[in-house]
Amino acid sequence: AQRVTQPEKLLSVFKGAPVELKCNYSYSGSPELFWYVQYSRQRLQLLLRHISRESIKGFTADLNKGETSFHLKKPFAQEEDSAMYYCALSGRGYQKVTFGTGTKLQVIP
Amino acid sequence: GAVVSQHPSWVICKSGTSVKIECRSLDFQATTMFWYRQFPKQSLMLMATSNEGSKATYEQGVEKDKFLINHASLTLSTLTVTSAHPEDSSFYICSANDRGRSTGELFFGEGSRLTVL
Repeated sequence: AQRVTQPEKLLSVFKGAPVELKCNYSYSGSPELFWYVQYSRQRLQLLLRHISRESIKGFTADLNKGETSFHLKKPFAQEEDSAMYYCALSGRGYQKVTFGTGTKLQVIP
Repeated sequence: GAVVSQHPSWVICKSGTSVKIECRSLDFQATTMFWYRQFPKQSLMLMATSNEGSKATYEQGVEKDKFLINHASLTLSTLTVTSAHPEDSSFYICSANDRGRSTGELFFGEGSRLTVL
């Protein structure tokens, strides 16, 4: 079974402070991990994928297979980062994508 | 590119009627489409996975006779809420992956808000 856990429902940080959104997963094979973001009144969209190892809008996420984690990080939070963030996991072939419960990031000016 | 459109974006119906929601991939072919339900201030709940030309795979606890899913073509999947009741009121979202890409990225529709009176 595949499972994604995001322990924090809400994370409030001040503008300019570092951000870390936690994500842990459970999967028996080699997982593909993603972070999706939903800004206010917008549809869900992909933020980044672990396989591309890229930084998007200053966010990075490293897959740690030992800790089965894929935490999302940004060194300096911006107000426009306020949104709902979902961690997602898929197996090979992308036939099933499992989402975590989401973390609402609130950046305080 | 890779736009997913849902229709209608909102619908109000009487209890006992059926409602159909369409999910279309506008500029790509989708091998797989997913249907979710989202309660206020809560996460996405995967309802079913829909593959073109075959029966949908429903998640545990989702009534397949209640939520009929049809994926007749590579660009269209429909969700029909049959004999709707007030407890079916929710935000329904679909997503699709692009057959032409192997990235695993899902493209989401804008969602359809169903209110059952």
